[in-house]
Amino acid sequence: EAGVVQSPRYKIIEKKQPVAFWCNPISGHNTLYWYRQNLGQGPELLIRYENEEAVDDSQLPKDRFSAERLKGVDSTLKIQPAELGDSAVYLCASSSAANYGYTFGSGTRLTVV
Amino acid sequence: AQSVTQLDSHVSVSEGTPVLLRCNYSSSYSPSLFWYVQHPNKGLQLLLKYTSAATLVKGINGFEAEFKKSETSFHLTKPSAHMSDAAEYFCVVSVWTGNTPLVFGKGTRLSVIA
Repeated sequence: EAGVVQSPRYKIIEKKQPVAFWCNPISGHNTLYWYRQNLGQGPELLIRYENEEAVDDSQLPKDRFSAERLKGVDSTLKIQPAELGDSAVYLCASSSAANYGYTFGSGTRLTVV
Repeated sequence: AQSVTQLDSHVSVSEGTPVLLRCNYSSSYSPSLFWYVQHPNKGLQLLLKYTSAATLVKGINGFEAEFKKSETSFHLTKPSAHMSDAAEYFCVVSVWTGNTPLVFGKGTRLSVIA
């Protein structure tokens, strides 16, 4: 079974530029999460999807961040415009009620210069 | 609400000696608890998980953890450290319903000295 796939693996952009990250969860996993991991910290939840519905986006900075999960499968996380403080690793994960399992992708390391 | 506290930000051990990484949790409901490991520039890897079955949980690479409800602890141990164990370790709590987010601790960096 393929794992959670994220792209790109690395991204370097100038501040004020837009950036987008893509995630393909494990097939059949209805729940998808986006986490942000700052350097030296544990991951923190940004948004959680149940199928195509965002059911928890209280930690998403909505002035510059947006996300979508069309058709309840792939998801895209966007930042516009990026700020220096957005430099972090953005992790996608998925889970299923059928088993006690969360699976994480390898993440996208964003550097804003 | 759930939270975890990893009591040590950095632990250093000699190769071949025991490893102890400490974690206390707080949860309004019966928790599910996990330990994840992250090697430099690598993704998160699940070491082990507790989901209300046996309180002593065995994981990969010789690691194990014991759930102690009375102490609200879930410490990670390994009898003998290996150089390849050097990494960042995260204690994680959730209230498992199949779609509940994980709440991570701040991490413990394990160094292994030859």
